[in-house]
Amino acid sequence: EAGVVQSPRYKIIEKKQPVAFWCNPISGHNTLYWYRQNLGQGPELLIRYENEEAVDDSQLPKDRFSAERLKGVDSTLKIQPAELGDSAVYLCASSLEIGLNTEAFFGQGTRLTVV
Amino acid sequence: DAKTTQPNSMESNEEEPVHLPCNHSTISGTDYIHWYRQLPSQGPEYVIHGLTSNVNNRMASLAIAEDRKSSTLILHRATLRDAAVYYCILRPAGGTSYGKLTFGQGTILTVHP
Repeated sequence: EAGVVQSPRYKIIEKKQPVAFWCNPISGHNTLYWYRQNLGQGPELLIRYENEEAVDDSQLPKDRFSAERLKGVDSTLKIQPAELGDSAVYLCASSLEIGLNTEAFFGQGTRLTVV
Repeated sequence: DAKTTQPNSMESNEEEPVHLPCNHSTISGTDYIHWYRQLPSQGPEYVIHGLTSNVNNRMASLAIAEDRKSSTLILHRATLRDAAVYYCILRPAGGTSYGKLTFGQGTILTVHP
């Protein structure tokens, strides 16, 4: 079974340009997470979806970041405009939530470099 | 949210057991204890989780203190492939942070041949 698929793996853009990341979770998983990981730090949650609903977006910088999960499957995370400080690895994860007795599966991430 | 404290780094020799500690003195009664690890250039990977009782799986064992204020991840025989950052996470079972996975800095495990 395929795991969580993210694309692209790498992206280099100039500051002030827009950028989008795509995530295809594991089939049947109802919960999807987007994390950002800066170099040498642990992942930081940006947004969590249960099906189509964003249940926790308190850490998402809403002035420039947006996310959507249409039909409760694939998800897209967008940054517009990008800033130098947005350079990081963006991780997507999914899980099938049955209470909390579950594990989250992570993709390999998209490494964003803003120049 | 309750926080965890882990050593910044630990070292081990190949084929020896490794005990990775985690302190979580402010854990609430319904928080699950999760462990994930992250290999270089990979996304985090689930290792094990538990609530009150010790747990074993094919990857590791989790020993939970009786008062639940600390736990230890045990790798029974470390291999070079176990070199990674290990994260101890408290996953809330209630409140506004229900189900949230919050990563800290983790412990960098180095395994020597």
